[in-house]
Amino acid sequence: KQEVTQIPAALSVPEGENLVLNCSFTDSAIYNLQWFRQDPGKGLTSLLLIQSSQREQTSGRLNASLDKSSGRSTLYIAASQPGDSATYLCAVFSRGGNTPLVFGKGTRLSVIA
Amino acid sequence: DAGVIQSPRHEVTEMGQEVTLRCKPISGHDYLFWYRQTMMRGLELLIYFNNNVPIDDSGMPEDRFSAKMPNASFSTLKIQPSEPRDSAVYFCASSPGGLGLFFGSGTQLSVL
Repeated sequence: KQEVTQIPAALSVPEGENLVLNCSFTDSAIYNLQWFRQDPGKGLTSLLLIQSSQREQTSGRLNASLDKSSGRSTLYIAASQPGDSATYLCAVFSRGGNTPLVFGKGTRLSVIA
Repeated sequence: DAGVIQSPRHEVTEMGQEVTLRCKPISGHDYLFWYRQTMMRGLELLIYFNNNVPIDDSGMPEDRFSAKMPNASFSTLKIQPSEPRDSAVYFCASSPGGLGLFFGSGTQLSVL
């Protein structure tokens, strides 16, 4: 059974810092891994999708990496801004098992001006 | 495409009433998921469909909850009778065969 863990659960940084959010998963047989952002009271917005054959994806100040062998993904945010404050979730789409998609519990990020 | 469309956006009802939440997935997507999110429990998978067929409903909390997908473009989640502890945000999401997940804006349900 796939399990997804996100560390830390919460993070507070000053504006301008570069930061890394972590996501680990127990079963490396995955189709892809997706990072989402959720603002308070809002839905989930897709940030980056990494296919199992890829090692990283970039969009603007965001870079997501994937290391299937170690069961890890990182989301790197460069030059953080107060507008980046949100909860970041990773989701793993697995090949096996009855439940194809498993979410982590998220990291709540606060960027302080 | 307009994305995943959920209705209503907000629903306020009294305990014991029937509640029906609706979802229109993105055209061509073969997976449809229903999630519930609360502060206490986070994001919970309730049920998912593949090609309109329910595959795993083990997340449905009890028999008061039921979900249907009569065709590829429509799904409903029904709660009958509703209880205050059902208050949450309910999300629908669709996926094209595992190539990413696309969420609707959610339905905020309040059961008084």
